[in-house]
Amino acid sequence: NAGVMQNPRHLVRRRGQEARLRCSPMKGHSHVYWYRQLPEEGLKFMVYLQKENIIDESGMPKERFSAEFPKEGPSILRIQQVVRGDSAAYFCASSPGAGSPGYNEQFFGPGTRLTVL
Amino acid sequence: AQRVTQPEKLLSVFKGAPVELKCNYSYSGSPELFWYVQYSRQRLQLLLRHISRESIKGFTADLNKGETSFHLKKPFAQEEDSAMYYCALSGGSNYKLTFGKGTLLTVNP
Repeated sequence: NAGVMQNPRHLVRRRGQEARLRCSPMKGHSHVYWYRQLPEEGLKFMVYLQKENIIDESGMPKERFSAEFPKEGPSILRIQQVVRGDSAAYFCASSPGAGSPGYNEQFFGPGTRLTVL
Repeated sequence: AQRVTQPEKLLSVFKGAPVELKCNYSYSGSPELFWYVQYSRQRLQLLLRHISRESIKGFTADLNKGETSFHLKKPFAQEEDSAMYYCALSGGSNYKLTFGKGTLLTVNP
């Protein structure tokens, strides 16, 4: 099991461009979480998704940010019209579904470091 | 609102010395507390959780509800313990983790 995969590992965008961050959960995991880490800060929850459903997006900025976890393929965190303040490390985590052993333990990916010029 | 505070940004000890990484939390209900560790160039990984009450790599942490603390301890630090340590809390939702800012532990030879 390769663990949670994120790509790209590093992403550079100019202000106004779009950023797409991808996350492939661990095999057998149906729950995905996105966290953002600003410099000198801890990880902050953004959104929790299950396949084709957004369960909790209370940590997502109201504008420009969106997330999806389609039936097939990775979860995508999309940031439109990026600004310098979006520069951060974005971490994805996954967990098994409820009822599975260790269902509420989150396994983290290596993160994507977004730099906005 | 739930909050996790790690008062020490940096902690430096010598090999063989005891180490304690502090974590205090704020949460009105019954929280679940975790310690995550990130070694150099590796991903964040779960070190231990309070409900399992186990010792991992010699580390232990006890949840003190009276002091709202979950300090991480190890009696004899090793150089390979050098890493970034994050305390995290999960509240009633049982999924949304709230992290502290982390403590960078350096164990000197």
